[in-house]
Amino acid sequence: GAVVSQHPSWVICKSGTSVKIECRSLDFQATTMFWYRQFPKQSLMLMATSNEGSKATYEQGVEKDKFLINHASLTLSTLTVTSAHPEDSSFYICSARDVAQVYGYTFGSGTRLTVV
Amino acid sequence: AQSVTQLGSHVSVSEGALVLLRCNYSSSVPPYLFWYVQYPNQGLQLLLKYTSAATLVKGINGFEAEFKKSETSFHLTKPSAHMSDAAEYFCAVSGAHGANSKLTFGKGITLSVRP
Repeated sequence: GAVVSQHPSWVICKSGTSVKIECRSLDFQATTMFWYRQFPKQSLMLMATSNEGSKATYEQGVEKDKFLINHASLTLSTLTVTSAHPEDSSFYICSARDVAQVYGYTFGSGTRLTVV
Repeated sequence: AQSVTQLGSHVSVSEGALVLLRCNYSSSVPPYLFWYVQYPNQGLQLLLKYTSAATLVKGINGFEAEFKKSETSFHLTKPSAHMSDAAEYFCAVSGAHGANSKLTFGKGITLSVRP
């Protein structure tokens, strides 16, 4: 089956620093990757959709300069939280959709970001 | 546009009892429907999906769901709950076509299983 690897699982950083989260599709090529944010006891909020080799499409209200998304290859997308602040603390989850759409949407295991 | 409604935020059942988690959808195009489970501090695991084939869909861990177009519903059931079923459950809908089709999630339901 399809596997998406997301790293790191958790990270603590200081205010003002940047953090990069990686999302890799291990056994399939992902045409499209999605980045979500999840607050405690809440549903997933789509932040952006990224396609390999092109700019990400951000959802309304998501700051593209704060949440930088790069989808440089068919197996790797990264989310960089720039100049992080405590309000950016959250659970971030990526999802990948394969080229052939055989597997549908496969999710990473998530990254718990804490900004202190 | 698509949307999903999951009524209630918490369902509690006894071990061995029937599990029923409700999901109603709204979609302007033929929908693809999904049920996912999430354990604490983990990503989402696909339980089952409906992609316009059979209306009764069987998934992993004994779960199944029935697509009812007339009721715009896709309720999740399991005949006998197990303690390990305690988790957060999300229903989701996509517009089916195209790699960029986004998943729209319901707000989720917490399932508790009593011994």
